[in-house]
Amino acid sequence: GNSVTQMEGPVTLSEEAFLTINCTYTATGYPSLFWYVQYPGEGLQLLLKATKADDKGSNKGFEATYRKETTSFHLEKGSVQVSDSAVYFCALLNAGNMLTFGGGTRLMVKP
Amino acid sequence: SQTIHQWPATLVQPVGSPLSLECTVEGTSNPNLYWYRQAAGRGLQLLFYSVGIGQISSEVPQNLSASRPQDRQFILSSKKLLLSDSGFYLCAWSVRGLAGSNEQFFGPGTRLTVL
Repeated sequence: GNSVTQMEGPVTLSEEAFLTINCTYTATGYPSLFWYVQYPGEGLQLLLKATKADDKGSNKGFEATYRKETTSFHLEKGSVQVSDSAVYFCALLNAGNMLTFGGGTRLMVKP
Repeated sequence: SQTIHQWPATLVQPVGSPLSLECTVEGTSNPNLYWYRQAAGRGLQLLFYSVGIGQISSEVPQNLSASRPQDRQFILSSKKLLLSDSGFYLCAWSVRGLAGSNEQFFGPGTRLTVL
């Protein structure tokens, strides 16, 4: 079956620090991969996505590269801001249009 | 543009009471619709999905049910709430008929507290 594993949080960083949130997956076939962000008290917003191997998704300074050889989709940002504090979810989409989510990683950025 | 609405935004209900959460989508036709639950400090769990009016698939057996009386309306219900039903309920939609890269768009969520 499909599964997504994320590093457990919370991740606490100072402003302007480099961010990496690890995500690995198990899936049959060639899923699409996503990062969603959930700000406090809100629903999920799509942050970025990649649909095939070696694709790089990017948005708002965040990046993630679809690595088929390591089955990974790690989220990175070069310089985080306090406003990036949120919960980040890695997810995969199979051919049946079902999303499988990781457990989420809470990021806290301190000024 | 497409928008997705959920109401109520927050709800506090006693154990054993009924539940009805509503989700509506605007600006698109024939969407796939989904209900997720996020328990406190945990990830998202898919509860139900629907590919059309009256077509509901359940992912997790529980005391919840879902209905789709209209193309862009998705309702989550319970006859008797349990304490374990507390959580953040998210509705989502996606374009029907596209596989692979078909992202899901989420509503603002309903926070349910069962006392």
